[in-house]
Amino acid sequence: GEDVEQSLFLSVREGDSSVINCTYTDSSSTYLYWYKQEPGAGLQLLTYIFSNMDMKQDQRLTVLLNKKDKHLSLRIADTQTGDSAIYFCAEDSSYKLIFGSGTRLLVRP
Amino acid sequence: GAVVSQHPSRVICKSGTSVKIECRSLDFQATTMFWYRQFPKQSLMLMATSNEGSKATYEQGVEKDKFLINHASLTLSTLTVTSAHPEDSSFYICSARGTITYNEQFFGPGTRLTVL
Repeated sequence: GEDVEQSLFLSVREGDSSVINCTYTDSSSTYLYWYKQEPGAGLQLLTYIFSNMDMKQDQRLTVLLNKKDKHLSLRIADTQTGDSAIYFCAEDSSYKLIFGSGTRLLVRP
Repeated sequence: GAVVSQHPSRVICKSGTSVKIECRSLDFQATTMFWYRQFPKQSLMLMATSNEGSKATYEQGVEKDKFLINHASLTLSTLTVTSAHPEDSSFYICSARGTITYNEQFFGPGTRLTVL
């Protein structure tokens, strides 16, 4: 079945790196995504990775994909207080997005 | 960039009334729009997928007679919650996919519905 899992909570100190992990189930997913949601707002696409890649870097963001283990991670370098939000990974499955449960990132000053 | 708007952003209604939420793609044509529901501190649950000019496809467990979806044009989809009850209170988010990039969905800011 479709089930995307994430840890619920992560707390880091400002300036440190944050790593948010995700496991997905659909090996046929073409793209995997990371979205950010701030309180009371919609979702903002942060980055995505094509399934035939194993790494993608975009400024402070690094996405790692391990297709064998169906594991996806998002690393945020030099985490800032403005990065505090909920982060969702998502896989595309049959042209629908299946979202993980979301990881709440708290950045401590 | 692609912008999706939702209206209203917040709505409070009495139990038994109907509420309509609009989702618009402002600078692109949305061939497909998606409606999600999000409970507090939970993930997004896909309710239905609508393609312009055709009937929406509802996910399992979503009552199509209660959540009416209309996608009459390439820039507008509406979700009507009929005979709303307190358990329908939730955050409703739409997204649109269209002619810009096939795979990317652009999300609206969400509508907070509270049914008293």
